Amino acid sequence: KAGVTQTPRYLIKTRGQQVTLSCSPISGHRSVSWYQQTPGQGLQFLFEYFSETQRNKGNFPGRFSGRQFSNSRSEMNVSTLELGDSALYLCASSLTLGQGGSGELFFGEGSRLTVL
Amino acid sequence: GESVGLHLPTLSVQEGDNSIINCAYSNSASDYFIWYKQESGKGPQFIIDIRSNMDKRQGQRVTVLLNKTVKHLSLQIAATQPGDSAVYFCAENIGWLRNQFYFGTGTSLTVIP
Repeated sequence: KAGVTQTPRYLIKTRGQQVTLSCSPISGHRSVSWYQQTPGQGLQFLFEYFSETQRNKGNFPGRFSGRQFSNSRSEMNVSTLELGDSALYLCASSLTLGQGGSGELFFGEGSRLTVL
Repeated sequence: GESVGLHLPTLSVQEGDNSIINCAYSNSASDYFIWYKQESGKGPQFIIDIRSNMDKRQGQRVTVLLNKTVKHLSLQIAATQPGDSAVYFCAENIGWLRNQFYFGTGTSLTVIP
């Protein structure tokens, strides 16, 4: 079974630009979560989608947004990039309790964003 | 305010020894906990989980202990191997927040051959 796939793996942007990151979950997983990982703040929850609906949102500004498609694939977008947005963005999918799973998060390898 | 870098706790153990990694969690309502291992350049990888109705759970070479009274988790790794060198995170989840996990700062484990 293929794992969580994130693209692109690495990207460099300049301040003010926007970026879109993509995540393909494990087949059958309908929940997709996004996390930001930085040396300064650790792993922080961005948002979670289930069946195309955002169920939970972390404490990030509105420049961070996401969506989920009917095939459970998800994208996140960061607009008006700032230097502090440089981070590893991790996507995780899970089989929720309602789907008979444990709720465990399966992570992708991440998209490393550098903002110059 | 000024952002302060996380001070990652470190643990060095000799190959073959047992390792114990500790984690204090924040919310007494958290009911599901996971330990993750993250190697350099990779995403976190599931090690073991435990629900709040349990005190202990064992896996292959790993044991997680949960003390709800003091909101403390520990991960024990038996016969630590060089391949165990990584950063280890505990993550807590509150049921009604569904898949919103809160991660600890992590512990960097180095296994000395």
